[in-house]
Amino acid sequence: GQQVMQIPQYQHVQEGEDFTTYCNSSTTLSNIQWYKQRPGGHPVFLIQLVKSGEVKKQKRLTFQFGEAKKNSSLHITATQTTDVGTYFCAGPREDSSYKLIFGSGTRLLVRP
Amino acid sequence: GAVVSQHPSRVICKSGTSVKIECRSLDFQATTMFWYRQFPKQSLMLMATSNEGSKATYEQGVEKDKFLINHASLTLSTLTVTSAHPEDSSFYICSASMGGPTEAFFGQGTRLTVV
Repeated sequence: GQQVMQIPQYQHVQEGEDFTTYCNSSTTLSNIQWYKQRPGGHPVFLIQLVKSGEVKKQKRLTFQFGEAKKNSSLHITATQTTDVGTYFCAGPREDSSYKLIFGSGTRLLVRP
Repeated sequence: GAVVSQHPSRVICKSGTSVKIECRSLDFQATTMFWYRQFPKQSLMLMATSNEGSKATYEQGVEKDKFLINHASLTLSTLTVTSAHPEDSSFYICSASMGGPTEAFFGQGTRLTVV
């Protein structure tokens, strides 16, 4: 069945270091979305990428959608303690495009 | 962005009792809402899709008689966990979108503890 995996599962960085999480889908996706979930909180939408090879930036965050539309990455430059949380990618399900399948998530901890 | 409100945020109940969780879209109409379950340090797993005016559709392995969903209006969906057991303890989150494969807006989530 359709799977969306993320690596690493967990990363602990020193404040100021960069961070990257990778998202890999078993199927081609029409779009990819990224969400951030703070500890104890709910997922919050960050961005949606639609085009092959698309790159979008939000301040220190850079999002990329692969050429084959099967993978994506989120890069954070110079992490801050406010970046702590779990980052999920998500894409439309194969069997029903209005439903989302979420990646396994990458948990980021930042040492001050 | 749109606002989805979920209530209660936390609930503790005894085994065998039922718990109702409400999910409201405050500033838009949601013909479809989604209910997820999330175990600690794990991803979100879709339980069911709530459709206004019709029966909910459940994911494989989710008991529809245990997790009752009612989408009474375009702004309200409820999930009732019936005859709760300790293994039902989890974080339940609803979401809604404005239609199509667009961003999802999540409620604050409900942490259910069954004792």
